Amino acid sequence: AQTVTQSQPEMSVQEAETVTLSCTYDTSENNYYLFWYKQPPSRQMILVIRQEAYKQQNATENRFSVNFQKAAKSFSLKISDSQLGDTAMYFCAPTYDYKLSFGAGTTVTVRA
Amino acid sequence: SQTIHQWPATLVQPVGSPLSLECTVEGTSNPNLYWYRQAAGRGLQLLFYSVGIGQISSEVPQNLSASRPQDRQFILSSKKLLLSDSGFYLCARGGPNYGYTFGSGTRLTVV
Repeated sequence: AQTVTQSQPEMSVQEAETVTLSCTYDTSENNYYLFWYKQPPSRQMILVIRQEAYKQQNATENRFSVNFQKAAKSFSLKISDSQLGDTAMYFCAPTYDYKLSFGAGTTVTVRA
Repeated sequence: SQTIHQWPATLVQPVGSPLSLECTVEGTSNPNLYWYRQAAGRGLQLLFYSVGIGQISSEVPQNLSASRPQDRQFILSSKKLLLSDSGFYLCARGGPNYGYTFGSGTRLTVV
């Protein structure tokens, strides 16, 4: 398995503001994929966004976007115009072979 | 549909008792299947994965085993549970090209 580091255990953001979650990882692979998953209090894992490592263009999905720096092995997630429903734990998950390796997660709390 | 059915949702078992968690999936045949465990407030740890019937790979040594008797059925078992087996168990399917889908999970408490 890879080492995935999410250095921010908790983040708090005001509704409508922007928050950025950091993620770094260690891999020896050249072709891989990266994911961000969201886990709300229901504990259901929900896909937020997906990035292919061979693509230089950063992925975006509505209010969610990533900053992928392949050489630095960094994959941060930006949540814009935060909503109360964004309150959840967020996991960074790069692949190795075809399996996901997860970070410890960042708990995001959106304040009204 | 790529729905994943996992049951039970909650389970309380005494130390030393056996365990059987079942996961069945819908959708395309021959899916890659995975068992993950999540400790409280932590990330997910991959326990087992399977690329086909009867094909099981273990990621970490442990007190658990997995089986895949049918294409869309993945079972997590233990002969004798330990306190350290407590956690939240998630079944998943998929791969990097199309993404991974997770079941709703089983919260196991060993007492």
